[in-house]
Amino acid sequence: GQQLNQSPQSMFIQEGEDVSMNCTSSSIFNTWLWYKQDPGEGPVLLIALYKAGELTSNGRLTAQFGITRKDSFLNISASIPSDVGIYFCAGPRIQGAQKLVFGQGTRLTINP
Amino acid sequence: DTAVSQTPKYLVTQMGNDKSIKCEQNLGHDTMYWYKQDSKKFLKIMFSYNNKELIINETVPNRFSPKSPDKAHLNLHINSLELGDSAVYFCASSPGRIEPQHFGDGTRLSIL
Repeated sequence: GQQLNQSPQSMFIQEGEDVSMNCTSSSIFNTWLWYKQDPGEGPVLLIALYKAGELTSNGRLTAQFGITRKDSFLNISASIPSDVGIYFCAGPRIQGAQKLVFGQGTRLTINP
Repeated sequence: DTAVSQTPKYLVTQMGNDKSIKCEQNLGHDTMYWYKQDSKKFLKIMFSYNNKELIINETVPNRFSPKSPDKAHLNLHINSLELGDSAVYFCASSPGRIEPQHFGDGTRLSIL
């Protein structure tokens, strides 16, 4: 089935550094979503990508929809302490039941 | 002015008991979902309803029974709770049938 693999699984960085994480699949997706989950809360949508090659920004966050439609990247520039959390990529399955499939998440930890 | 609200936030109970989790959304969305997040933070869909109609029913034990009295509410009843049911359960909603989705803050279920 369509599965999403995120890397790295965890990151430990210094405040102020840039962050890059990605999400890949062996199947194509028509939409890529990036969510962030803070401790004790539900995931919050950060960026939605709907077109291959699309590059979209949301403040210090930038995400790209890979041209092969099998991957997506999320970059965070000049990280700050509130960027700590788990970042999930997600995409709707193309075949079978229409549902959202999530990656296993990238846990970001920032040292002040 | 919470968009997707779940109650209770914490639920600690004995094995074998029956419990319910309630969810309400005030976004006017047509579709609501239940997700389970395990201890490794993996998010997996359990059910989704569109305008009170069940549209996704993943491979979930029939001890779990969702009920949608109207499109703004989706409750989850769990019979004969087992140790493996311990997890965080998230309710979500979306305007369309798949995404993007707005999540509640989760219900942390612990089985003793």
